[in-house]
Amino acid sequence: TAGITQAPTSQILAAGRSMTLRCTQDMRHNAMYWYRQDLGLGLRLIHYSNTAGTTGKGEVPDGYSVSRANTDDFPLTLASAVPSQTSVYFCASSRSGSTDTQYFGPGTRLTVL
Amino acid sequence: GQNIDQPTEMTATEGAIVQINCTYQTSGFNGLFWYQQHAGEAPTFLSYNVLDGLEEKGRFSSFLSRSKGYSYLLLKELQMKDSASYLCAVLDSNYQLIWGAGTKLIIKP
Repeated sequence: TAGITQAPTSQILAAGRSMTLRCTQDMRHNAMYWYRQDLGLGLRLIHYSNTAGTTGKGEVPDGYSVSRANTDDFPLTLASAVPSQTSVYFCASSRSGSTDTQYFGPGTRLTVL
Repeated sequence: GQNIDQPTEMTATEGAIVQINCTYQTSGFNGLFWYQQHAGEAPTFLSYNVLDGLEEKGRFSSFLSRSKGYSYLLLKELQMKDSASYLCAVLDSNYQLIWGAGTKLIIKP
């Protein structure tokens, strides 16, 4: 099985442009998450979804939006990118939004110039 | 505030044993996870502790003391492929993972 896939693998984006990072899982997990990982910092939660049709804000939600139209897909949109959004973005999923293990996608490396 | 502390970097020798410590202060506690992350790759699950004590899984063991806000990951019979970052994360009262910055483990022959 593919598990979790993310696209694109990497992207260079001009400041002010919009972009959607894609995330798809085939494990029928109810919960999905978006994190950013920056050098010297722990993973930080951007947004999450405990089940299709619901979303919630994490620690660093400003400048990002998400949707969860179905179980499998959880896209992350940057409406107007800024250089501080340069980061590696990881999507993750878990069977439920409680104590279940989170499984990560391969990540998207985004550079905003 | 919530805080997870772990050493930034550690060095060990192939075949030896290494202990990576993690201390935490969080709003609530619903378990502690350890993940391994090789450079340029995604984190992968190693262990989950919610009760005090030692959990052994092959060459890797994880220990938890909730009263001390402390955990460690013990890696035995180190192999070169164990060179990676090890991430400690605590599940808080909202069931959100709070992550440490990770410990980069360098294995020397």
